[in-house]
Amino acid sequence: QVQLVQSGAEGKKPGASVKVSCKASGYTFSDYGFSWVRQAPGQGLEWMGWISAYNGHTNFAQKFQGRVTMTTEKSTSTAYMELRSLRSDDTAVYFCARDRPDALRFLELPDYWGQGTLVTVSS
Amino acid sequence: DVVMTQSPLSLPVTLGQPAAISCRSSRSLVYIDGNIYLNWFHQRPGQSPRRLIYKVFNRDSGVPDRFSGSGSGTDFTLKISRVEAEDVGVYFCMQGTHWPRSFGQGTKLEIK
Repeated sequence: QVQLVQSGAEGKKPGASVKVSCKASGYTFSDYGFSWVRQAPGQGLEWMGWISAYNGHTNFAQKFQGRVTMTTEKSTSTAYMELRSLRSDDTAVYFCARDRPDALRFLELPDYWGQGTLVTVSS
Repeated sequence: DVVMTQSPLSLPVTLGQPAAISCRSSRSLVYIDGNIYLNWFHQRPGQSPRRLIYKVFNRDSGVPDRFSGSGSGTDFTLKISRVEAEDVGVYFCMQGTHWPRSFGQGTKLEIK
């Protein structure tokens, strides 16, 4: 069965960076991609961006351009999201979700989600 | 960017009664292939979202048939024919037709 297992909670100071991992299993890693979505406490879902595990292509929400990096590592079937220059309003649960492999296929995705990683930014 | 607007934001429902959630997009979600990439997700407190419906009306595996999706163009609806206790939580619509992806604000369903 498809599983996405994310890394544990992180506590960071303003200005620092955080890197969240998402380890996939139960399917062929390079046949799909990943979206990263965050949810501030008590708030809705905010799409941050997407990376293809098939060809490495990315697409980011303008709000995060220049501050986020998304990568994948085929050898370990793991996706990563790094967010830099953290602020207090970056405090949120960060989710990875299995998504399309490129811009033209499986447009009905995302489907499976990771369990979420709480990132707390506080001085 | 496409703005997704849900209503109501709060939905108290009596067990066994129907419920409906509306989702409107700021532009048409019809893709060049003729499909509409509109998904519905359900999130229970402390859990990750679970997809219920994809491409407007297709139920995911294991989703009870009391859930149904409908709509076209810019107006979409998620219906629950008879609400059960396990249906509490927040429901989100999400469009996948246009970049960037965008979600509705969420509708919190609770039992009266």
